Amino acid sequence: GESVGLHLPTLSVQEGDNSIINCAYSNSASDYFIWYKQESGKGPQFIIDIRSNMDKRQGQRVTVLLNKTVKHLSLQIAATQPGDSAVYFCAENISQAGTALIFGKGTTLSVSS
Amino acid sequence: EPEVTQTPSHQVTQMGQEVILRCVPISNHLYFYWYRQILGQKVEFLVSFYNNEISEKSEIFDDQFSVERPDGSNFTLKIRSTKLEDSAMYFCASNPKEGPGELFFGEGSRLTVL
Repeated sequence: GESVGLHLPTLSVQEGDNSIINCAYSNSASDYFIWYKQESGKGPQFIIDIRSNMDKRQGQRVTVLLNKTVKHLSLQIAATQPGDSAVYFCAENISQAGTALIFGKGTTLSVSS
Repeated sequence: EPEVTQTPSHQVTQMGQEVILRCVPISNHLYFYWYRQILGQKVEFLVSFYNNEISEKSEIFDDQFSVERPDGSNFTLKIRSTKLEDSAMYFCASNPKEGPGELFFGEGSRLTVL
């Protein structure tokens, strides 16, 4: 069964706004999480990752938050740009089970200027 | 910047035919993966490969599927007898180190089974 999912299939924002994309996971044994961006016709592209011993990690314009209590993961994109328009997937991994990533269904982010 | 390359970009085949999808991972990477994505759906793990053998495989990766690293650069996915439900985008990915870390994905091979 599916263990990773996203709350909203689509998100529309204005250029310059901050975007928050959410993901819920159900397996408490998951200890590694990763966000990928997929542009139309391309393969997934790494954005940022976080291990379960952290609750926040920042990158360039992106922040991932992990709330293990409620099994929730979010991706925050600051000052969203039209080039951020894509499908965003969260994925989880249970390190004891191997290296396979379990992906959620994806949120389509549309940024209008 | 090094990248994972996949061929063909699109293949159309008749049900029951064999297909081979090819991938050239990034040259210093040691861990290789195949994932697939049925149109509009999530990306699904198929198989991982290290040191010339399968490390893990999913339920999707049944006896109709096989992987091979025939030489030092190519990594192939073979589907022995394609079914309609095999129609999907197949992504190859590689990783320089063990662990689920940052996978480098290719742009995918679209397989259409008629």
